[in-house]
Amino acid sequence: AQRVTQPEKLLSVFKGAPVELKCNYSYSGSPELFWYVQYSRQRLQLLLRHISRESIKGFTADLNKGETSFHLKKPFAQEEDSAMYYCALLNRDDKIIFGKGTRLHILP
Amino acid sequence: NAGVTQTPKFRVLKTGQSMTLLCAQDMNHEYMYWYRQDPGMGLRLIHYSVGEGTTAKGEVPDGYNVSRLKKQNFLLGLESAAPSQTSVYFCASKRDTLNTGELFFGEGSRLTVL
Repeated sequence: AQRVTQPEKLLSVFKGAPVELKCNYSYSGSPELFWYVQYSRQRLQLLLRHISRESIKGFTADLNKGETSFHLKKPFAQEEDSAMYYCALLNRDDKIIFGKGTRLHILP
Repeated sequence: NAGVTQTPKFRVLKTGQSMTLLCAQDMNHEYMYWYRQDPGMGLRLIHYSVGEGTTAKGEVPDGYNVSRLKKQNFLLGLESAAPSQTSVYFCASKRDTLNTGELFFGEGSRLTVL
């Protein structure tokens, strides 16, 4: 079964501290994985995708096929990072499956 | 510069009533999706469409029907609403397979079933 697991519902981090949002997946085949973000009163939007190997707003995510993980990381949290973060997987049928989301709260 | 537009934004229904949510996109995207968002459950895929005239079931399709008669529109119908369908519904679109995964979302439609 295809599944995306985000084990933390809420993550509170002090400003300036490192952030790691966990994402694990189950999928038979080569997955395409994404992180989406929903800021307060804004639409859900793409943050980054693993195939791009990019850094957006200081965030990076590395696909680890051995551990079936795609954790989102940022070395120094900023207050504007407070948001809801969703990990998502695109399967070969063009379904995009989301995890349950993690609310990131940056403490001043 | 509308992108993805959902109507209505808010609706209250009584159990057993029917309604249709409309999603319209002006980006000429092939793929469209309907999700529901519930506290603690994240986003769950209801139905989706990979092109005009096509629809497919997602993770939680029961109690919903969809139609994609025109490429720009994706309708989500509730024939007989139930309180369990109280949720925020999001529509999203993406260009095509080559675009791999960037979804463009609407603002959401909050539905309450009493």
